Amino acid sequence: GQQLNQSPQSMFIQEGEDVSMNCTSSSIFNTWLWYKQDPGEGPVLLIALYKAGELTSNGRLTAQFGITRKDSFLNISASIPSDVGIYFCAGRSRGQNFVFGPGTRLSVLP
Amino acid sequence: EADIYQTPRYLVIGTGKKITLECSQTMGHDKMYWYQQDPGMELHLIHYSYGVNSTEKGDLSSESTVSRIRTEHFPLTLESARPSHTSQYLCASSGTYQETQYFGPGTRLLVL
Repeated sequence: GQQLNQSPQSMFIQEGEDVSMNCTSSSIFNTWLWYKQDPGEGPVLLIALYKAGELTSNGRLTAQFGITRKDSFLNISASIPSDVGIYFCAGRSRGQNFVFGPGTRLSVLP
Repeated sequence: EADIYQTPRYLVIGTGKKITLECSQTMGHDKMYWYQQDPGMELHLIHYSYGVNSTEKGDLSSESTVSRIRTEHFPLTLESARPSHTSQYLCASSGTYQETQYFGPGTRLLVL
């Protein structure tokens, strides 16, 4: 079945630093989604991407749909303490359900 | 903001009890999903529905059952809860073309 890998698995950064994480797939996807999940809560949709090469921003967050359609990237600029959480990517091929990555755990040190 | 709701948010129950986790959405979405997630771990799809009277099993085998009698409502039932069912259950929905998927806040289940 389809699988997604997320890198890094976890990261510890200083407040104010920029963050980069990525998601790779063995399959070609038509849609990429990025979510953030706080402990005990449901994932919250951050950014949706629909076209290869697309670059979309949401405040300090920027995500890109990889040109090969097998990867996606999420960047967070000038991190703040409330950025702490787990970031999940999800991808979907035409006619299929979304597949979710295992998540990147972000910790922000003051 | 997503209009998808789950009740209860937290449930502690004894082994052998029957439970139903409620999920409803007011976005008119055709497609609804149930995921099981252990704390901080991956999401596993256990059930999905593409519309009224349509239900399918997901990638992870589950002893739970679901029904879809109304578009907005997708309850999940465990006939006899066991400690191995302890987990967080997340409900989600998406529109006809699945451009996005929105999640509810989750139900955290503890079976003693």
